[in-house]
Amino acid sequence: AQSVAQPEDQVNVAEGNPLTVKCTYSVSGNPYLFWYVQYPNRGLQFLLKYITGDNLVKGSYGFEAEFNKSQTSFHLKKPSALVSDSALYFCAVRVNDKIIFGKGTRLHILP
Amino acid sequence: KAGVTQTPRYLIKTRGQQVTLSCSPISGHRSVSWYQQTPGQGLQFLFEYFSETQRNKGNFPGRFSGRQFSNSRSEMNVSTLELGDSALYLCASSSTGGAFSPLHFGNGTRLTVT
Repeated sequence: AQSVAQPEDQVNVAEGNPLTVKCTYSVSGNPYLFWYVQYPNRGLQFLLKYITGDNLVKGSYGFEAEFNKSQTSFHLKKPSALVSDSALYFCAVRVNDKIIFGKGTRLHILP
Repeated sequence: KAGVTQTPRYLIKTRGQQVTLSCSPISGHRSVSWYQQTPGQGLQFLFEYFSETQRNKGNFPGRFSGRQFSNSRSEMNVSTLELGDSALYLCASSSTGGAFSPLHFGNGTRLTVT
């Protein structure tokens, strides 16, 4: 079965420190990978995507993600966290016209 | 450009009733998809419409249905509501619905079934 895993329900990071939100996937075929962020009482906002090419992709708000084909991972990163980055983050995979979301990781940035 | 608009923002219904949710996509977007978000199950895909045709469907019972109009606006209907249908329902639009296109989400309709 095709799946997306975000192994951490919650990640706590001190402001100014680097952050990583993990995502791994198990799909057949070539996946297209996305990260979305959700703020309280809002819908999801697109952050970045990987389609092909350079394994490091840059997105909105200083976020970037690294695609690793051998580890089937697409971890979200940011060099220096801000309190305003506190939100719920979703990894998503599109393959064969289907989209699968991870369960989400709640990111807490501590001032 | 106006974003994706979902109405109403909140709904309270009783078990057994039916409900209709509305979604207006970003102007020019022809694909509209619907998702159910719950704390336990996360985000689950309901269905996708493109040019008034259902293009994809998730694993939900037939009580969940939708349609898309010629102006790309979409409605989702849930009949014979159950307590477990309480959730945030999100609509998203994209320009073509292709795999490359990111989704643009509305702020959702929070449905409470009592």
